[in-house]
Amino acid sequence: QVQLQESGPGLVKPSQTLSLSCVVSGGSIRSGSHYWTWIRQSAGKGLEWIGRIYSSGSTNYNPSLKSRVTISVDTSKNQFSLKLSSVTAADTAVYYCASGVFGAIYYFDNWGQGTLVTVSS
Amino acid sequence: QSVLTQPPSVSEAPRQRVTISCSGSSSNIGNNAVNWYQQLPGKAPKLLIYYDDLLPSGVSDRFSGSKSGTSASLAISGLQSEDEADYYCAAWDDSLKGVVFGGGTKLTVL
Repeated sequence: QVQLQESGPGLVKPSQTLSLSCVVSGGSIRSGSHYWTWIRQSAGKGLEWIGRIYSSGSTNYNPSLKSRVTISVDTSKNQFSLKLSSVTAADTAVYYCASGVFGAIYYFDNWGQGTLVTVSS
Repeated sequence: QSVLTQPPSVSEAPRQRVTISCSGSSSNIGNNAVNWYQQLPGKAPKLLIYYDDLLPSGVSDRFSGSKSGTSASLAISGLQSEDEADYYCAAWDDSLKGVVFGGGTKLTVL
């Protein structure tokens, strides 16, 4: 069973870059069995898919965030990361990393506990 | 405004059955699998149903999923207080080239 743990600053100033990491345990990020995925949830609101990365480095991003998002993978540390630039208060949310099954059907079989990021000066 | 449409809330008495609907379009539900997630209060979401109607290991068979055309449904039978949670549907969207979620449905067990 893959386990995921997010880490990063809980407070980011407006216009700066939000940076989060997700360490994967219980499996190799190079296994090719998953897309490594970021999802966020604003207070009292629903879930929003941010994007994903495959072990090859191939990425897909939510079109509404694409111009500001970068997801990368560090196989030596078995972790992947999220960078979101030019943040505003609207980016305040709980950010989850998840493992998305690679195959005909893409679904999230394991989730991190989530980390709250507040954008405020 | 979410791409997939769910009722904001549903409620039912213990031991009864409830269904949660999820409506989409031909670019998402109509052409791709639907997955459901359960989010207990203060917790991360958890996979509940995948590929329209399949249960992951460890998920109670009181939960079931179905799909017809551009709509899907989650049914929960024998309701228990521990089922109180938010439920989200999700599917790949061919037009957006990404995953879209429903707005979530809050289940209250009366």
